[in-house]
Amino acid sequence: QQQVKQSPQSLIVQKGGIPIINCAYENTAFDYFPWYQQFPGKGPALLIAIRPDVSEKKEGRFTISFNKSAKQFSLHIMDSQPGDSATYFCAASKGPGANNLFFGTGTRLTVIP
Amino acid sequence: KAGVTQTPRYLIKTRGQQVTLSCSPISGHRSVSWYQQTPGQGLQFLFEYFSETQRNKGNFPGRFSGRQFSNSRSEMNVSTLELGDSALYLCASRPSANQETQYFGPGTRLLVL
Repeated sequence: QQQVKQSPQSLIVQKGGIPIINCAYENTAFDYFPWYQQFPGKGPALLIAIRPDVSEKKEGRFTISFNKSAKQFSLHIMDSQPGDSATYFCAASKGPGANNLFFGTGTRLTVIP
Repeated sequence: KAGVTQTPRYLIKTRGQQVTLSCSPISGHRSVSWYQQTPGQGLQFLFEYFSETQRNKGNFPGRFSGRQFSNSRSEMNVSTLELGDSALYLCASRPSANQETQYFGPGTRLLVL
């Protein structure tokens, strides 16, 4: 059973566009929601993370929007660049002592120059 | 600071063999987690070690095992390899068991023939 559902599977945008990747979860015990970026041949790298007590968090061109009542969160990439082409994973875990992340299935983003 | 390192980076084995993968966490990090990444199942948690003790284990058969040494380096072992064990095995470290952010290594690509 997939604890975190992620969509879309793939996304193609033009340079400068704003791709949006969505994730949904069921387990209300989750309280830490990171996004990871993975390039081919590399391990996932943390992009940005949010806790459910805030509805939005921005770091550079990356923004997480969080809707606690809907149990959904999303990643927006402002002014997307070809270098942003990668696979993006959302994840969730159950608190600071939690020792495992539950990952979404990933979104392959392609930014066309 | 050097990142998480994993050795070897690539490995080819045949069914029935066993394999040992190694992970050196970021200096000062005492928690090490292992994940399996496959196209079909995505990223799945295997287990976490902290201070040489396994804290939690994911839903994998007993053929998958691990250990952690006093210097926080960790190894995972897979015995009696099956074709379905072909995957990217990722190691992640964090400073302590109570800190959420996990830093991933580049992974070991295992191919079972």
